[in-house]
Amino acid sequence: AQSVTQPDIHITVSEGASLELRCNYSYGATPYLFWYVQSPGQGLQLLLKYFSGDTLVQGIKGFEAEFKRSQSSFNLRKPSVHWSDAAEYFCAVVRGDSGGYQKVTFGTGTKLQVIP
Amino acid sequence: DSGVTQTPKHLITATGQRVTLRCSPRSGDLSVYWYQQSLDQGLQFLIQYYNGEERAKGNILERFSAQQFPDLHSELNLSSLELGDSALYFCASSEGTGGYTFGSGTRLTVV
Repeated sequence: AQSVTQPDIHITVSEGASLELRCNYSYGATPYLFWYVQSPGQGLQLLLKYFSGDTLVQGIKGFEAEFKRSQSSFNLRKPSVHWSDAAEYFCAVVRGDSGGYQKVTFGTGTKLQVIP
Repeated sequence: DSGVTQTPKHLITATGQRVTLRCSPRSGDLSVYWYQQSLDQGLQFLIQYYNGEERAKGNILERFSAQQFPDLHSELNLSSLELGDSALYFCASSEGTGGYTFGSGTRLTVV
């Protein structure tokens, strides 16, 4: 069975500092990996996704993530955090089939606090 | 606007009552997923529909049911409501393995 672990429940960074949010997955094949962001009271917004190919993927809002198969990780990074990045971040792994069925597993989320 | 529309945005109801939450998926998406998000349980998958058929069930209570109509909109019915059912209910849609598009959710408060 697939699983996703986000080991950090809460992270605090200073505005302008770099950020790395950790995500480890367990899945038998090459997974489809996603990062979502959720602002308070809002739905989840897709930041970026990895299917195959280049292991460094660029997303919206200046975020990037690197797929490392050897470490079963898909960590999210941003070189310089802005106060508006304060939100909760979810990593997800997806197994899909040609019939349109998606088995999606979300991590428990990491809440990011940005301090001045 | 994500393209996934959920109504109502807020709902306050009493214990024992029944409510219906509605979701219109993004144009062209055949799959609809329902999630419950609460502080203590996190994001919990409830159920998935694909082109009108139920495809997968998660942690959905027997008091809850859903359906997807021919026009692909979906409804989540919650009955015999309890205080613990208070949560954010999200709908998401997808066309395949490209990831979900989430709606902005319905905040249900049971008093």
